[in-house]
Amino acid sequence: GAVVSQHPSRVICKSGTSVKIECRSLDFQATTMFWYRQFPKQSLMLMATSNEGSKATYEQGVEKDKFLINHASLTLSTLTVTSAHPEDSSFYICSARLGRDPDTQYFGPGTRLTVL
Amino acid sequence: QKEVEQNSGPLSVPEGAIASLNCTYSDRGSQSFFWYRQYSGKSPELIMFIYSNGDKEDGRFTAQLNKASQYVSLLIRDSQPSDSATYLCAVNMYSGGGADGLTFGKGTHLIIQP
Repeated sequence: GAVVSQHPSRVICKSGTSVKIECRSLDFQATTMFWYRQFPKQSLMLMATSNEGSKATYEQGVEKDKFLINHASLTLSTLTVTSAHPEDSSFYICSARLGRDPDTQYFGPGTRLTVL
Repeated sequence: QKEVEQNSGPLSVPEGAIASLNCTYSDRGSQSFFWYRQYSGKSPELIMFIYSNGDKEDGRFTAQLNKASQYVSLLIRDSQPSDSATYLCAVNMYSGGGADGLTFGKGTHLIIQP
């Protein structure tokens, strides 16, 4: 089956620093990748849609200058949380889409970000 | 506001019984509907998807969709303790604008009692 990895799985950083999270599709090329965020006891919230070779599309209320997304290849998308603050502490999950149909979204294992 | 609503639970079901999970959605234009299972601290795992009105069965799982009522459900037959998890309903509310990720409900916490 299609496998999506994320790195790192956990990260703890100081307030004001930047953190980069990688999302890789290991055995398929992903035309589109998505970034979600999940706060404790809350649902996943779509942050942005990342298409290879083009600018990401951000959901309303998500600061594009704070959450930088780079989709440089068909197997790698990165999310950089710039100048992180404690309120950015969350579970960040990416998904990769194999084809055009939405049912072919495969989720990565998630990255737990804690900002002190 | 595009919304997906679920009862947060917990829903407690005896082992071997049928667990019934429900979800409503706000966008009538929604095309695709998904049920994910999420264990604590883990990412979601796809259980089933359904596109058309009616029932879709896969093993012990049956998804039901009623677009007129904007309602989707998941039935789990012969519930097992390993089915204990949070079940997320997700809807693809594709607007044609390019951002066609999934809109998730908050999830229903299901507990299967041995």
